[in-house]
Amino acid sequence: SQQGEEDPQALSIQEGENATMNCSYKTSINNLQWYRQNSGRGLVHLILIRSNEREKHSGRLRVTLDTSKKSSSLLITASRAADTASYFCATAGRAAGNKLTFGGGTRVLVKP
Amino acid sequence: KAGVTQTPRYLIKTRGQQVTLSCSPISGHRSVSWYQQTPGQGLQFLFEYFSETQRNKGNFPGRFSGRQFSNSRSEMNVSTLELGDSALYLCASSEGLAGGHNEQFFGPGTRLTVL
Repeated sequence: SQQGEEDPQALSIQEGENATMNCSYKTSINNLQWYRQNSGRGLVHLILIRSNEREKHSGRLRVTLDTSKKSSSLLITASRAADTASYFCATAGRAAGNKLTFGGGTRVLVKP
Repeated sequence: KAGVTQTPRYLIKTRGQQVTLSCSPISGHRSVSWYQQTPGQGLQFLFEYFSETQRNKGNFPGRFSGRQFSNSRSEMNVSTLELGDSALYLCASSEGLAGGHNEQFFGPGTRLTVL
């Protein structure tokens, strides 16, 4: 079973627009991570946010974490065609068996 | 540093056969995790090895097994292949255990097709 569930499942935007995707999870966590996957290749780590952090930035990426709602969001600002990919949230924590558990992902298409 | 490498990249097998996939982690990383990715089930955790010991295991049948060598390289084996084993198998390495505050670095994956 998947710990995290992303919403929406798919997103289509124009280059230059912002893209926001959400992740909800079920059990308490140590941290939540976001990964990107391009067309069936390996995943690339984007950001790790710990359970005691509320917001984190990395370049054009902004991640928020609300542990009371068991949810996180990933915002990509000023999107580029190269941002076209699937984005996955993954949670880690003792309650989930101390393994990294991935959600179903959000497919993002950025149209030039 | 070189990234995570996986061999082979593509593999075609028939039902009933067995297969061994290999993963070389980033130098210095002691944890290697394996995942299966399919369109229907998404990314599912198979197992994690740390310092040659299996530290965690997902909900997969005993046909799926793995091991880690003293140089941290890891192999996974699937015996008696079934059609449903067709998937992208991803290996990831990290400095510490995957359940901790450790970024995982993924390899390109091995695409297994079972006919």
